[in-house]
Amino acid sequence: NAGVTQTPKFRVLKTGQSMTLLCAQDMNHEYMYWYRQDPGMGLRLIHYSVGEGTTAKGEVPDGYNVSRLKKQNFLLGLESAAPSQTSVYFCASSYFSGSAETQYFGPGTRLLVL
Amino acid sequence: AQSVAQPEDQVNVAEGNPLTVKCTYSVSGNPYLFWYVQYPNRGLQFLLKYITGDNLVKGSYGFEAEFNKSQTSFHLKKPSALVSDSALYFCAVRDLGGKLIFGQGTELSVKP
Repeated sequence: NAGVTQTPKFRVLKTGQSMTLLCAQDMNHEYMYWYRQDPGMGLRLIHYSVGEGTTAKGEVPDGYNVSRLKKQNFLLGLESAAPSQTSVYFCASSYFSGSAETQYFGPGTRLLVL
Repeated sequence: AQSVAQPEDQVNVAEGNPLTVKCTYSVSGNPYLFWYVQYPNRGLQFLLKYITGDNLVKGSYGFEAEFNKSQTSFHLKKPSALVSDSALYFCAVRDLGGKLIFGQGTELSVKP
């Protein structure tokens, strides 16, 4: 049981390049989330998904797109990377978003945009 | 709007001493509160949560948290700190839509 995995672990991009971050979970969770973590700002929600084929915007969605074609995978895309997107990205999943459902986090992807 | 605040960027404690990491919250309705820990270069790990009932919640690794409704606080505590407890700690509250809102994090440093 791998839990939540993220690919890649680290990436360097030039401004304007595109890339896709992959998140996979093997816990049969319905809900999946993408966060970014920046110093002094905690974690901020980018996009989330409440089930296969559905996505929704979080707190900071601009410059990102997502897709949930399969229940176990949640992709985060950067169409044209900007230095402001330099961050650590975390994926998380949970069974649902009920009263106090625990979210399980992946190990993170460090992205540097030059 | 739901929010959490962690008033201390860093907390320093000596090994063996008790530790407290502070969190205050602002919610509409009943709060669902969480503590997560992040070790260097790792993802967040769940420590404990408060849903309802007993104000003292026990979690992983000997941590506990005290829910105080009148002070709108949910402070994380441990009776005797270990060097291995050094990490970044996040408080979070569930918002009305079911998503988590995180505090900015508190770096705990435990010295031998």
